[in-house]
Amino acid sequence: DGGITQSPKYLFRKEGQNVTLSCEQNLNHDAMYWYRQDPGQGLRLIYYSQIVNDFQKGDIAEGYSVSREKKESFPLTVTSAQKNPTAFYLCASSMRAGGPSDTQYFGPGTRLTVL
Amino acid sequence: KQEVTQIPAALSVPEGENLVLNCSFTDSAIYNLQWFRQDPGKGLTSLLLIQSSQREQTSGRLNASLDKSSGRSTLYIAASQPGDSATYLCAVKGYGGSQGNLIFGKGTKLSVKP
Repeated sequence: DGGITQSPKYLFRKEGQNVTLSCEQNLNHDAMYWYRQDPGQGLRLIYYSQIVNDFQKGDIAEGYSVSREKKESFPLTVTSAQKNPTAFYLCASSMRAGGPSDTQYFGPGTRLTVL
Repeated sequence: KQEVTQIPAALSVPEGENLVLNCSFTDSAIYNLQWFRQDPGKGLTSLLLIQSSQREQTSGRLNASLDKSSGRSTLYIAASQPGDSATYLCAVKGYGGSQGNLIFGKGTKLSVKP
């Protein structure tokens, strides 16, 4: 089956710890994205990558880091510098970042809770 | 800065009713507009994408319209079913650079009662 997988589904972190969220896609998409969703809020873009070995900050990149060493993988690290990391994290991919008919496909999400 | 607003925030209707969800955006210079569905605790599923040159798109019981000049889009759901219960999100895509990323509304939570 083609799609996007995220792991783990639930993640608990102690204050001061870094954690890494996994995102993998087998859709052969060039572009990948990380969003954060808080209750009652729309999705906000954290980072995006249009091609391997390249990525850009989104609207709320502070306290987060990413890498894009392989086309199919775009892991997100939530660092201890992120003051309020408890949220639902969604990964997405699209064939490319700029097409007028380019649809983003989303993974099932990871719920991160800081203890 | 682009802002996307969805009204109402929540809507409850009886099964079989036709309904309309509204989305408005402040900057009419958009590349496309997309409607997504999100079930509780799940990711988003793309429903319809309307390019800036298009006026509407249809998929089954869903019809989405776009009026760029007024900064509005509507999602029409015909003959609603309990399985349509979910949160519906609207998102617009601007031009170039960071504006090329999707800007989301907060969603409309739909409940269809049997």
